[in-house]
Amino acid sequence: EAGVAQSPRYKIIEKRQSVAFWCNPISGHATLYWYQQILGQGPKLLIQFQNNGVVDDSQLPKDRFSAERLKGVDSTLKIQPAKLEDSAVYLCASSPGLYVATDTQYFGPGTRLTVL
Amino acid sequence: TQLLEQSPQFLSIQEGENLTVYCNSSSVFSSLQWYRQEPGEGPVLLVTVVTGGEVKKLKRLTFQFGDARKDSSLHITAAQTGDTGLYLCAGNTGGFKTIFGAGTRLFVKA
Repeated sequence: EAGVAQSPRYKIIEKRQSVAFWCNPISGHATLYWYQQILGQGPKLLIQFQNNGVVDDSQLPKDRFSAERLKGVDSTLKIQPAKLEDSAVYLCASSPGLYVATDTQYFGPGTRLTVL
Repeated sequence: TQLLEQSPQFLSIQEGENLTVYCNSSSVFSSLQWYRQEPGEGPVLLVTVVTGGEVKKLKRLTFQFGDARKDSSLHITAAQTGDTGLYLCAGNTGGFKTIFGAGTRLFVKA
């Protein structure tokens, strides 16, 4: 079974530029998560989808971040415009059913973003 | 604010030693998970605990959930270099969100 795929793996941009990340979850997984992991910290949930609906986006900086999950499969996360403090690893994860706390979240390798 | 505090933040030990890392909160969790993350990769689930006082073993790793479901510990016996990584605890208080701690970074020297 293929894992969660993310691209690109690395991205370097200048502040005020735009950037987009792509995630392909495990086939059939209903719930998809985007996390931000700043160096030295644990993952922080940005947005959580169940199928193509948003369950939680309370920590998503909506003035600059946006995310969508078309047709309940792939997802993209966009930052526009980027700030220095957005430098982090962006992790995508998926879980099989509608959100259950005890479910395993399967993570992709992440996209490391550096904002100069 | 729900907060999971992990300690120590960093641990460097010799191969063969035993160690314990901790995850504490003032909140009660309905379930708690431990993940391990290696450099350049995403976290991988090690275990899920749901019952207060529960103890689970995974080879040389022993996980315990506190009686009050506010804390957890991970004990590694006879650490190996392959145990090196970032150990994250993650908890749920009953809503639709899992909260991660900042992690304990473990380095096992040969």
